Amino acid sequence: GAVVSQHPSRVICKSGTSVKIECRSLDFQATTMFWYRQFPKQSLMLMATSNEGSKATYEQGVEKDKFLINHASLTLSTLTVTSAHPEDSSFYICSASRAPGPETQYFGPGTRLLVL
Amino acid sequence: DQQVKQNSPSLSVQEGRISILNCDYTNSMFDYFLWYKKYPAEGPTFLISISSIKDKNEDGRFTVFLNKSAKHLSLHIVPSQPGDSAVYFCAATAINDYKLSFGAGTTVTVRA
Repeated sequence: GAVVSQHPSRVICKSGTSVKIECRSLDFQATTMFWYRQFPKQSLMLMATSNEGSKATYEQGVEKDKFLINHASLTLSTLTVTSAHPEDSSFYICSASRAPGPETQYFGPGTRLLVL
Repeated sequence: DQQVKQNSPSLSVQEGRISILNCDYTNSMFDYFLWYKKYPAEGPTFLISISSIKDKNEDGRFTVFLNKSAKHLSLHIVPSQPGDSAVYFCAATAINDYKLSFGAGTTVTVRA
């Protein structure tokens, strides 16, 4: 149990376009979902925390108007990178939590975004 | 700023020997530490954790040691097996928080 999927796994887009990444908890309801970004040879950096039915909480330095997060249901959160630029190219990974506590975060396989 | 650091990007070890992965942190508010294992094309999966009230936690072949005064923890894998070849992430948080701060990861390769 506790499977989290992400779609797409890889995406290439042109500069200026928007890209939507989906994160789904397949076999449990996630009250909280997290979005991370990882640049090469760097750590996973938390971008935002998303609670079902409420606005996401963004970490310092993350532009909320650029990285739109929607957590419309207990099993789905989406991250939309708006007007993507080459510097947004990165590995985006989500996690879903089904209960309070750090050990209950289950991670998706990630989405590799390349902006040309 | 990077509050959790894994200074060794890679580690190669012979099958059957011990793998030792190191992690340092700077935030004194962290009181709960976790190790994750990640295979290619998969998300990180939880491996083992330790609370700051302990200095050691063991689970089968995996043992995590915590040195609070040095703000250092390590993961020992013994004996190492080929299936242990993966990227290992160290993470830290405060027990009443759910935000995880990650290190950059250490790629472990177990040689047959």
